[in-house]
Amino acid sequence: SSELTQDPAVSVALGQTVRITCQGDRFRYDYASWYQQRPGQAPVLILFGKNKRPAGISDRFSGSRSGNSAFLTITGAQAEDEADYYCNCRDSSGNRWTFGGGTHLTVL
Amino acid sequence: EERLMESGGTLVPPGGSLRISCEGVGFSFSFYAVSWVRQAPGKGLEWVSTVNNGGDTHYADSAKGRFTVSRDTSRNTLYLQMSGLTFEDTAMYFCAKTSSAWPSDFFGPWGPGTPVTVSS
Repeated sequence: SSELTQDPAVSVALGQTVRITCQGDRFRYDYASWYQQRPGQAPVLILFGKNKRPAGISDRFSGSRSGNSAFLTITGAQAEDEADYYCNCRDSSGNRWTFGGGTHLTVL
Repeated sequence: EERLMESGGTLVPPGGSLRISCEGVGFSFSFYAVSWVRQAPGKGLEWVSTVNNGGDTHYADSAKGRFTVSRDTSRNTLYLQMSGLTFEDTAMYFCAKTSSAWPSDFFGPWGPGTPVTVSS
């Protein structure tokens, strides 16, 4: 299946650690890329490949995978981390991409 | 600095056609793939189409047969020609530079988006 499943909403206390999950069969063989989207803004790439971050992205963001799931971990959550987070992966053809449904993170 | 800027989004009647554009700065469309991704109001991201650096095109099922992606490398511009538009095509349309070098494939950077509204 090419579908990617995310929990619709997750919350975390300020300064604590939170893990956002993305489930999909492709993660047995492939890595997820992760995107942060704040209201009214375009998505921003925050993680790709084997836990790689683009320049300028905080090292509080880290990625991993296990079985059929990929994970985005935010260590020491800050107020500015409150946003929607999307996972993405190519399908088995290698020529099409799928996004997860998105997880809204609330920082309490 | 690599940047993209979409344009051309507007109000279109059901069944109508529209072409939107995406201009890139700071990198060449001849060497990188570029994609369209859309987001319906209050919904998640949906991959629409990609042109790779060789000019090969790929489409989501929702776009196949109705949308045509093309590029002008001399203008470093990507186009999305849309026809047979329905209410379900109402969305913000983003373009994004696409790295397709497995396992490090990703979309980024992204343009700010151009809004397409299908309404009578």
